[in-house]
Amino acid sequence: RKEVEQDPGPFNVPEGATVAFNCTYSNSASQSFFWYRQDCRKEPKLLMSVYSSGNEDGRFTAQLNRASQYISLLIRDSKLSDSATYLCVVTTPGGSYIPTFGRGTSLIVHP
Amino acid sequence: NAGVTQTPKFQVLKTGQSMTLQCAQDMNHNSMYWYRQDPGMGLRLIYYSASEGTTDKGEVPNGYNVSRLNKREFSLRLESAAPSQTSVYFCASSEQHSNQPQHFGDGTRLSIL
Repeated sequence: RKEVEQDPGPFNVPEGATVAFNCTYSNSASQSFFWYRQDCRKEPKLLMSVYSSGNEDGRFTAQLNRASQYISLLIRDSKLSDSATYLCVVTTPGGSYIPTFGRGTSLIVHP
Repeated sequence: NAGVTQTPKFQVLKTGQSMTLQCAQDMNHNSMYWYRQDPGMGLRLIYYSASEGTTDKGEVPNGYNVSRLNKREFSLRLESAAPSQTSVYFCASSEQHSNQPQHFGDGTRLSIL
């Protein structure tokens, strides 16, 4: 079982829709969680960190469920510019903090 | 605000040639990383340096070497390039704490013929 798993999609949604992605992780000792956004042929960029109590940044909401070992990303009122691949990142302590990336979920927002 | 700078941005090599990819960060980060990204495979860690003076293997280190030249710079070397090393290479840096995110360079697109 891969350490961090994501549904690759693509999720194909109309503008204005609400869409949610989940990401599961296998190591219960995982400590830090992030969502990154990656546009085609570009570098990953931090979208938001994920905090235990959940957190919101504008149209984006991130949640952490430690009991079930998953994190989620909710995007409200989708824009065409939200089309990208969303990468889940989990960091587990153990000498050095090495982040593990999921393979990403592709989102396509259409008019 | 340069952040993480990678050079070159594009390179074409012949099988067997050697090459060094350069990476520098100006954020005073302790940790630096090299990843490769292939279609359908996601980001895979090649090598990392948790702090100046240390380097460790990641998931896919074979065929690569690294040098942490100083706190700012972390280079990746292909001694004898192979077609299987055709990929997009990303360098990243972060503070040496689990709750700190990574910052990425804009990548090097490497083709090996």
